[in-house]
Amino acid sequence: DQQVKQNSPSLSVQEGRISILNCDYTNSMFDYFLWYKKYPAEGPTFLISISSIKDKNEDGRFTVFLNKSAKHLSLHIVPSQPGDSAVYFCAASCPTPGTYKYIFGTGTRLKVLA
Amino acid sequence: ETGVTQTPRHLVMGMTNKKSLKCEQHLGHNAMYWYKQSAKKPLELMFVYSLEERVENNSVPSRFSPECPNSSHLFLHLHTLQPEDSALYLCASSQLGPDSGTGELFFGEGSRLTVL
Repeated sequence: DQQVKQNSPSLSVQEGRISILNCDYTNSMFDYFLWYKKYPAEGPTFLISISSIKDKNEDGRFTVFLNKSAKHLSLHIVPSQPGDSAVYFCAASCPTPGTYKYIFGTGTRLKVLA
Repeated sequence: ETGVTQTPRHLVMGMTNKKSLKCEQHLGHNAMYWYKQSAKKPLELMFVYSLEERVENNSVPSRFSPECPNSSHLFLHLHTLQPEDSALYLCASSQLGPDSGTGELFFGEGSRLTVL
């Protein structure tokens, strides 16, 4: 059973508009959430994160929102640019002695149309 | 040097071959990871090494054998693999400890493995 779910495998958005990528999780013990971006033939790169004590974190064009009661987080990209076209992975971690254990979603492929 | 480098980038092997994947991190991190990415599946954590000791082994078949000789290098030794083991194998590193924040993962570019 997947603990982190990204139910939309793909999303297309017009350049300049807002992209909203969604992620749902089932484990209420998760206390830290991250978004990674992956281009073809490259490894995932860290984009933005949020702690469970916050409900919003913003970094430039990227904002992550966390709704703990709904066990839902979303990544907003405004304005979307063609270079944002990539696969976006949501990940969550829970306190684990000695290390961080990240659980990843299956990813959402974003295509920004020029 | 980029942060995390993996070699080879592509590998094709038969089921009876023995090969190894190599990962090197230049970030001074103290933890290293192997993840497996199969089509339409989440990234699956395989192994975690913290301070060169294996701290996580996620029920990975013994045909995958990790080795961490020091904090900068990580290997994944492969032998008698199956076609379903074909996937992208990603290495990552992070810094763990009280002053390390929350230990975001830094990934390499991956090794694309095809088992015939």
